[in-house]
Amino acid sequence: GAGVSQSPSNKVTEKGKDVELRCDPISGHTALYWYRQSLGQGLEFLIYFQGNSAPDKSGLPSDRFSAERTGGSVSTLTIQRTQQEDSAVYLCASSSGTGRSNQPQHFGDGTRLSIL
Amino acid sequence: SQQGEEDPQALSIQEGENATMNCSYKTSINNLQWYRQNSGRGLVHLILIRSNEREKHSGRLRVTLDTSKKSSSLLITASRAADTASYFCATSSGSRLTFGEGTQLTVNP
Repeated sequence: GAGVSQSPSNKVTEKGKDVELRCDPISGHTALYWYRQSLGQGLEFLIYFQGNSAPDKSGLPSDRFSAERTGGSVSTLTIQRTQQEDSAVYLCASSSGTGRSNQPQHFGDGTRLSIL
Repeated sequence: SQQGEEDPQALSIQEGENATMNCSYKTSINNLQWYRQNSGRGLVHLILIRSNEREKHSGRLRVTLDTSKKSSSLLITASRAADTASYFCATSSGSRLTFGEGTQLTVNP
């Protein structure tokens, strides 16, 4: 597709379960970002990939959160032992260039995660 | 705390009026970007202004940047109901963007 694709669009799960969120960036975009957005709030940076490596993972809130990217394309964000405070919309974005934030970021529509 | 802070938090105007949103930030930046988010959707890039630029136009959008005051403004002229959305500024420093908490704009038909 032409844009950034995220799946699933909605995920409801019980506290304590693990979840995996997927992001398909725009083809050819080397930089990929994950953000978290709580209701009515701005975006909280989680992690940045350049190719398959993550030079900046300083935004991950705890060791329950991890992310990987394979083949310089698809990325998965994994949350282990989910807690209710993990409920939020998780947004993925990609951009061309070297990821020096001098290019626009293109966003997917996000995964809305609800922890019961 | 957020690097970019928008004000007002919410703005309600009539169709045809102009809308002005402001953004303040704290540290040095490479560039500043404005994004729009419709309800339930991802963010859409509107305009990027570099730190050595003072004003930029794109269609009905006008962005200014004052690095001495660490502030930016987004003006939407001749607003339309379809402009109803949240608007975020994002400051660029290094490899990441830091977003403010946004202005919710409502344009009434």
